[in-house]
Amino acid sequence: RKEVEQDPGPFNVPEGATVAFNCTYSNSASQSFFWYRQDCRKEPKLLMSVYSSGNEDGRFTAQLNRASQYISLLIRDSKLSDSATYLCVLKLGGKLIFGQGTELSVKP
Amino acid sequence: DADVTQTPRNRITKTGKRIMLECSQTKGHDRMYWYRQDPGLGLRLIYYSFDVKDINKGEISDGYSVSRQAQAKFSLSLESAIPNQTALYFCATSPKDSQETQYFGPGTRLLVL
Repeated sequence: RKEVEQDPGPFNVPEGATVAFNCTYSNSASQSFFWYRQDCRKEPKLLMSVYSSGNEDGRFTAQLNRASQYISLLIRDSKLSDSATYLCVLKLGGKLIFGQGTELSVKP
Repeated sequence: DADVTQTPRNRITKTGKRIMLECSQTKGHDRMYWYRQDPGLGLRLIYYSFDVKDINKGEISDGYSVSRQAQAKFSLSLESAIPNQTALYFCATSPKDSQETQYFGPGTRLLVL
């Protein structure tokens, strides 16, 4: 079993849609959780950290369920500029472990 | 100026050649990392260093070596390049705080013919 598994993509959605990405992880000792965004083979950039209480940053909401070892990212009112690959990432022993990413394409 | 820089940004080389990829950072972070990214496989850790005298193998270290010359510099070498080392290589840094995430350089595209 992979340490981090994400929804297979690509997700193709119209502008204004709400889209949700899911991610599961296998190691319960994982310390921290993040969502990264990666554009067109550029470097991954931190989108947001994920906290057990859930957290929101504008149109983006992240949730963590430690009991189920599950992380989610919700994007509301999708914009064309949200088109990218979203990487689910956890931190374990000082190292980051990446999911393979889910591609999002927002269409006009 | 970028906080994490990588040189070269693009490189084409031939099988059997030795090649070095350089990473420099101005963030003052202690920890540095090298990853490779292949389509459909996500990022995989090659080597990492938590301090100048510290070198650790990652998930896929075979065929690679590293050198941490200073806090700000971490080099990745391919001793004898082979075609399946064609990939996008990223350097990253992080501070000692275990809750902090990592910050990536712009990447080096390597093609081994």
